[in-house]
Amino acid sequence: SQKIEQNSEALNIQEGKTATLTCNYTNYSPAYLQWYRQDPGRGPVFLLLIRENEKEKRKERLKVTFDTTLKQSLFHITASQPADSATYLCALYNQGGKLIFGQGTELSVKP
Amino acid sequence: NAGVTQTPKFRILKIGQSMTLQCTQDMNHNYMYWYRQDPGMGLKLIYYSVGAGITDKGEVPNGYNVSRSTTEDFPLRLELAAPSQTSVYFCASSSGQGNTEAFFGQGTRLTVV
Repeated sequence: SQKIEQNSEALNIQEGKTATLTCNYTNYSPAYLQWYRQDPGRGPVFLLLIRENEKEKRKERLKVTFDTTLKQSLFHITASQPADSATYLCALYNQGGKLIFGQGTELSVKP
Repeated sequence: NAGVTQTPKFRILKIGQSMTLQCTQDMNHNYMYWYRQDPGMGLKLIYYSVGAGITDKGEVPNGYNVSRSTTEDFPLRLELAAPSQTSVYFCASSSGQGNTEAFFGQGTRLTVV
């Protein structure tokens, strides 16, 4: 069956360090992979999209990699700040238009 | 811009009651989605639509129904509420597949007692 898996354990890091979150998928051949941020009590907000033929994508302090051989995406936040504390979700478009999410990883950045 | 609007924001239902969660978007998006999110969990797709008149089941459709008579509206119907349907429901829309971002509403927190 098709699965999207993110590390369910919360990630706790110190301010200024780089946070790295992982998204693995099985039985998909996505053309695109997306990352979203969700704050408590709010809906997810889009951050970045990466195409299957792109190895890496950057936006300010954010960097996403996409390895279709490993079926894995890594999401990095450099020079992390307490304001980066949130839950981060990866998402894939399935055939026919389904947008499927992983369970999310909670990030906590301590001052 | 209003974006994606969900109503109501909160609702308490008794077991066996019915209700409709409303979702409207003003971005002329063809794709619309309904998700549920249980505490500490990710989003589970209930139903989705790729255009007016077209709907399809997601990962967890049992106990729900949808319709898409217009591009703007995508209501979610609960016919016989059960405690297992206690959750936060999110509606989302996007202009196309894969290469476009999805925009989410603020959510509806539903409790079934």
